[in-house]
Amino acid sequence: DQQVKQNSPSLSVQEGRISILNCDYTNSMFDYFLWYKKYPAEGPTFLISISSIKDKNEDGRFTVFLNKSAKHLSLHIVPSQPGDSAVYFCAASGGTSYGKLTFGQGTILTVHP
Amino acid sequence: NAGVTQTPKFQVLKTGQSMTLQCAQDMNHEYMSWYRQDPGMGLRLIHYSVGAGITDQGEVPNGYNVSRSTTEDFPLRLLSAAPSQTSVYFCASSPGLAKNIQYFGAGTRLSVL
Repeated sequence: DQQVKQNSPSLSVQEGRISILNCDYTNSMFDYFLWYKKYPAEGPTFLISISSIKDKNEDGRFTVFLNKSAKHLSLHIVPSQPGDSAVYFCAASGGTSYGKLTFGQGTILTVHP
Repeated sequence: NAGVTQTPKFQVLKTGQSMTLQCAQDMNHEYMSWYRQDPGMGLRLIHYSVGAGITDQGEVPNGYNVSRSTTEDFPLRLLSAAPSQTSVYFCASSPGLAKNIQYFGAGTRLSVL
């Protein structure tokens, strides 16, 4: 039972354009959501997070949107840069999973110069 | 500032062998966890610890043992390696449960033949 899903295995965008990565979840007890970025042969690094009391959180070029009624979150990267090319994971915690992270499958983002 | 350190980076085992994956953190974090990453599956939680002397099972604990005798170290033991345990293993630590921003090591790539 995949509680956090990233339905797009890959995304390709041009440098300077917007990248939108999507994530859906099924567990209504999740109340904290995170995005991680992972380069090959490295561990995931924390990018941005959002609490369920908010619907938007912004940090520089990265913005995360949360739609609780749809159980959907998205990560916007504007403008996209070639160095953003990586695998992006969304993760969630809360309820009986408090303190534990449940990850999506990941989306490979490629930003072309 | 080392963060989370995992050793070894690579390991090849034969079926039935045992080994210990090491994880150490120097951030005085109470919470530590082990994940495995398989293609198309994202990261799945194996075991976690909320402090020295306290451990609990995650989503995929079978075939693995953990202990937490100090705040700094959280080793993962494979009791009798199986080909299904071929994976990339990540250790992570977090300062607390509330926001659960976890910081990851670089990973151990394990192959079981």
